[in-house]
Amino acid sequence: GEDVEQSLFLSVREGDSSVINCTYTDSSSTYLYWYKQEPGAGLQLLTYIFSNMDMKQDQRLTVLLNKKDKHLSLRIADTQTGDSAIYFCAESGKYGNKLVFGAGTILRVKS
Amino acid sequence: GAVVSQHPSRVICKSGTSVKIECRSLDFQATTMFWYRQFPKQSLMLMATSNEGSKATYEQGVEKDKFLINHASLTLSTLTVTSAHPEDSSFYICSAGPGTNTGELFFGEGSRLTVL
Repeated sequence: GEDVEQSLFLSVREGDSSVINCTYTDSSSTYLYWYKQEPGAGLQLLTYIFSNMDMKQDQRLTVLLNKKDKHLSLRIADTQTGDSAIYFCAESGKYGNKLVFGAGTILRVKS
Repeated sequence: GAVVSQHPSRVICKSGTSVKIECRSLDFQATTMFWYRQFPKQSLMLMATSNEGSKATYEQGVEKDKFLINHASLTLSTLTVTSAHPEDSSFYICSAGPGTNTGELFFGEGSRLTVL
């Protein structure tokens, strides 16, 4: 079945880069997503990548996709305290919009 | 960008009562909306797919008589938790997409239900 795994916790210093990793199992997923969730709030779409791409850059965010290994990563450059949140990766799954989420990675940024 | 709004954001109710949560797509039409449930410190669990004009599709293990879903229009889906019990206390989130080529889904702010 579909499954998405992430590391649970990451702590970085302000100004450093953060790299959050994710592995997924459904090779038929068309899109892979990164969402951010701040405490008590809903999810905010950060970025997404089409499955035939290797990399996507969007300002401080860089997404790398290794389709062979089914590995997705999110790099946040110059991490700020406001980046502290839970980050979820998700795959679109076989049927498109029906997202399957990882358990989330808690990012803690120390000043 | 596209916006999805949920209401209420927080609700406290007594055990045995029913609670309705609304999910609206504000600037696009959504034939399909999704309802998720999130337990503390856990990921989102898809509960059901809400289809406009037809019955919702429930995920395995989700009681359809317990969680009633009505998708009456292209911009509104409702989730009603019937005869709520304390174990139904959770964070409920809906999502919808404008159906563009990106397959983007936008999420509501979430509704925190506390059943006493």
